[in-house]
Amino acid sequence: RKEVEQDPGPFNVPEGATVAFNCTYSNSASQSFFWYRQDCRKEPKLLMSVYSSGNEDGRFTAQLNRASQYISLLIRDSKLSDSATYLCVVYRLSSGSARQLTFGSGTQLTVLP
Amino acid sequence: NAGVTQTPKFQVLKTGQSMTLQCAQDMNHNSMYWYRQDPGMGLRLIYYSASEGTTDKGEVPNGYNVSRLNKREFSLRLESAAPSQTSVYFCASLFSGGTVSYNEQFFGPGTRLTVL
Repeated sequence: RKEVEQDPGPFNVPEGATVAFNCTYSNSASQSFFWYRQDCRKEPKLLMSVYSSGNEDGRFTAQLNRASQYISLLIRDSKLSDSATYLCVVYRLSSGSARQLTFGSGTQLTVLP
Repeated sequence: NAGVTQTPKFQVLKTGQSMTLQCAQDMNHNSMYWYRQDPGMGLRLIYYSASEGTTDKGEVPNGYNVSRLNKREFSLRLESAAPSQTSVYFCASLFSGGTVSYNEQFFGPGTRLTVL
């Protein structure tokens, strides 16, 4: 079983739609959680951190359920520019005090005009 | 600040050839990482360096070696390239300290490697 699992999609949604992505992680020692965005053939970039209480950044809302080891990302009022691959990322400390990130395979989103 | 830079951006090798991918960061980060990304596989950690002078294996280290030359630079070497190493390689860096949840990993633009 992969340490971080995501629905690969693709999700094809019309502009203005609301879309939700889910992610599950298997290592209960995981400490921090993030969503990264990756545009085609580009490097990943941090979209937002995910806090236990849930957090919102404009049209984006992230939720964490530690008991179920589940993370979600909700995008409201989708824009064409939201088209990208969304990566679920889990942090934990490893040997040598290094922060080690584990990436999900990503969920592809295409917002259609 | 240039952030994280990688060279080269593209490379084609023949099976058995060797090469070194270069990575440098100017953000005074202490941790650096090498990943490979294959279609449908997400990013997989090859090697990482928690701090200058230390390196550790990640998920897929076979066929690779690394050198943490100084705090700024972390190179990845393929001693004898194989077609299975065809991939996009990303270098990343991170400042380790403070509250873990506020640490952001910054990525370079990637190196697209094809091994024939």
